[in-house]
Amino acid sequence: QAVVTQEPSVTVSPGGTVTLTCGSSTGDVTSYHYPYWFQQKPGQAPRTLIYDTSDRHSWTPARFSGSLLGGKAALTLSGAQPEDEAEYYCLLSYTGARRVFGTGTKVTVL
Amino acid sequence: QVQLVESGGGVVQPGRSLRLSCAASGFTFSSSGMHWVRQAPGKGLEWVAMIWSDGSDKKYADSVKGRFSISRDNSKNTLYLQMNDLRAEDTSTYYCVCDNFFDPWGQGTLVTVSS
Repeated sequence: QAVVTQEPSVTVSPGGTVTLTCGSSTGDVTSYHYPYWFQQKPGQAPRTLIYDTSDRHSWTPARFSGSLLGGKAALTLSGAQPEDEAEYYCLLSYTGARRVFGTGTKVTVL
Repeated sequence: QVQLVESGGGVVQPGRSLRLSCAASGFTFSSSGMHWVRQAPGKGLEWVAMIWSDGSDKKYADSVKGRFSISRDNSKNTLYLQMNDLRAEDTSTYYCVCDNFFDPWGQGTLVTVSS
């Protein structure tokens, strides 16, 4: 089973920009991994931010964007707000429709 | 309103079985693939299993293969997870999730495996 790796933690200043990445132990992440990004705040269920690499849900603020960057999936937060402080997880799809979540990144806005 | 409500969690001894349920409403359940995802206390998310909309195919994570079984009853808009031979490492909050854009998520049900 593949291992999907994310940065354990990042800190961003209010109004600043940060990019989280999501790498696969099997090689480059491509659009065929259909990358998802989720936000989870303490005590809450996760919420989908980005699907299929770069598509936002209707509730996803425009300051969040998804892309492929250097063989990884990436989530960029531009103009960080205090309410963006949370854990962020990516999800990749593999052969046979199996999914693997990333290890998660804790984002601190400070 | 689109909603998923899990139930069936609780405290169970190692080696025993438990069945989780997930009641769906507000969307066409019978047209949607469904997943179970779990999260151990203080840990990250782990994908557990998926079932096709018509139940014709099922996929499992290596960690639960052969012990867990996902199923559904489209006439009742309900998803199930039969968990056998439970281990301490299965202790988690279990979420059901719709495959359509991986949303919505239920509120989760806590399973604790302990003697």
